[in-house]
Amino acid sequence: EVQLVQSGAEVKKPGESLKISCKGSGYSFTSYWIGWVRQMPGKGLEWMGIIYPGDSDTRYSPSFQGQVTISADKSISTAYLQWSSLKASDTAMYYCARHVYDSSGYCDYWGQGTLVTVSS
Amino acid sequence: QSALTQPRSVSGSPGQSVTISCTGTSSDVGGYNYVSWYQQHPGKAPKLMIYDVSKRPSGVPDRFSGSKSGNTASLTISGLQAEDEADYYCCSYAGSYTLVFGTGTKVTVL
Repeated sequence: EVQLVQSGAEVKKPGESLKISCKGSGYSFTSYWIGWVRQMPGKGLEWMGIIYPGDSDTRYSPSFQGQVTISADKSISTAYLQWSSLKASDTAMYYCARHVYDSSGYCDYWGQGTLVTVSS
Repeated sequence: QSALTQPRSVSGSPGQSVTISCTGTSSDVGGYNYVSWYQQHPGKAPKLMIYDVSKRPSGVPDRFSGSKSGNTASLTISGLQAEDEADYYCCSYAGSYTLVFGTGTKVTVL
């Protein structure tokens, strides 16, 4: 059974750094792209970017390029999303999702979400 | 990369059909047959309902169907049921392994 399990909720202050995680199981972690989707409170889904754990190839949405860093540790089947200096506007639910790109382009499995709250 | 445009809300009575539109450009929806749709209930993670414009993953009822014409994709829910009340998002491949989501549509079952 394919599963993506994300790290727990975080409460941080503006300016702090943060790294959240997404652990994949039940499939070959290095054979699928895995990415992150933001959902701000009461708002829609926004695609942030992806990484291919097999070779660490990374792609970002122009809206998020330079704002976050996506990485992965294939030895423990885990992808990460990190910020170096959080802002209040980073408050949101963040979902990881397995991406399928074999003559296609969609997210077939999703994590349960990680709520990030940034407040002074 | 702008968000795809969806109506804010649609509604229908049980048993009726509703259709949600998703309008993009020739760089996303119009350029690829890689449109997917996701259902999201409050407080839950999104769930894949349609991929590659019209394909249904295993376990998704055949009441859900997808289509595309030019730069606009559509999701139709036939035989509307109470459990279909949720937010729905379209998503399109936009080249170079990037995706773009729609603005989202709230489906209300009257």
